[in-house]
Amino acid sequence: ETGVTQSPTHLIKTRGQQVTLRCSSQSGHNTVSWYQQALGQGPQFIFQYYREEENGRGNFPPRFSGLQFPNYSSELNVNALELDDSALYLCASSLGQGVVFFGPGTRLLVL
Amino acid sequence: DAKTTQPPSMDCAEGRAANLPCNHSTISGNEYVYWYRQIHSQGPQYIIHGLKNNETNEMASLIITEDRKSSTLILPHATLRDTAVYYCIVRVAGAAGNKLTFGGGTRVLVKP
Repeated sequence: ETGVTQSPTHLIKTRGQQVTLRCSSQSGHNTVSWYQQALGQGPQFIFQYYREEENGRGNFPPRFSGLQFPNYSSELNVNALELDDSALYLCASSLGQGVVFFGPGTRLLVL
Repeated sequence: DAKTTQPPSMDCAEGRAANLPCNHSTISGNEYVYWYRQIHSQGPQYIIHGLKNNETNEMASLIITEDRKSSTLILPHATLRDTAVYYCIVRVAGAAGNKLTFGGGTRVLVKP
C-alpha cells in the first residue's frame, strides 16, 4: 500500500510568483485535504476535496486554490505569493470519514 | 470543533511509559479524539483514535475518561525515536470531516 506522496520536497519562489504543489493520495483514498504549517506552529486547514469538488475551506484567501483529479490526486495552487506563504504544505488523504493520513510535505520558501 | 488543551512540553526517560494528557471539556457526542505526532520537519503521523472506549494498538494506548472531557495517550516504553510533538485533536464527523484543528501540541523529549 502506497502512502501519501508529495512533490516537490522543497521549492524556492519569489514574491508575486505562482506555485503549484502536487499530491498523490494513499491508495484507495477519495478525499484529499491540504494544510499549511508555518514554522513553530501546528498545521492549519486550507481546504478539502471530495469527488473533484471543494467541500470545506479554512480561513485562506481565494489566491489559494486546488484541484482534485479523477484518480484522486490533487494540486494546490497559490497565486501572488507573499513572504508569509513560506511554510510546510501538507497534503492528507482519507477514505471518506476514515483516518486521515498525511504526506511528508513540501517546504516552500518565498523570497 | 471542540478545542483541546495540552501541556506545552514534557520529558520522559527512555524505556519508561510516557503519559500525555489532553483536556477536551467541550467535546460533543459525535466527536472522536485523535492523536497524531510530528517528528521534526516530517508530516504528522497518525497514532490512535477513539470515541469513548479505551483503545490500544501497536503504537500506543488511549484512555478516555467516562465523561469524555479528557484523555491520556500512553506510550508504554518510550524510545528516543518517540521524541516529537504530539497533537490531541477532536474531530467531528460531517461534510468537512477531514478538517483537523491542530493546537500547539505537547513537545515530548525522550532522554537516555
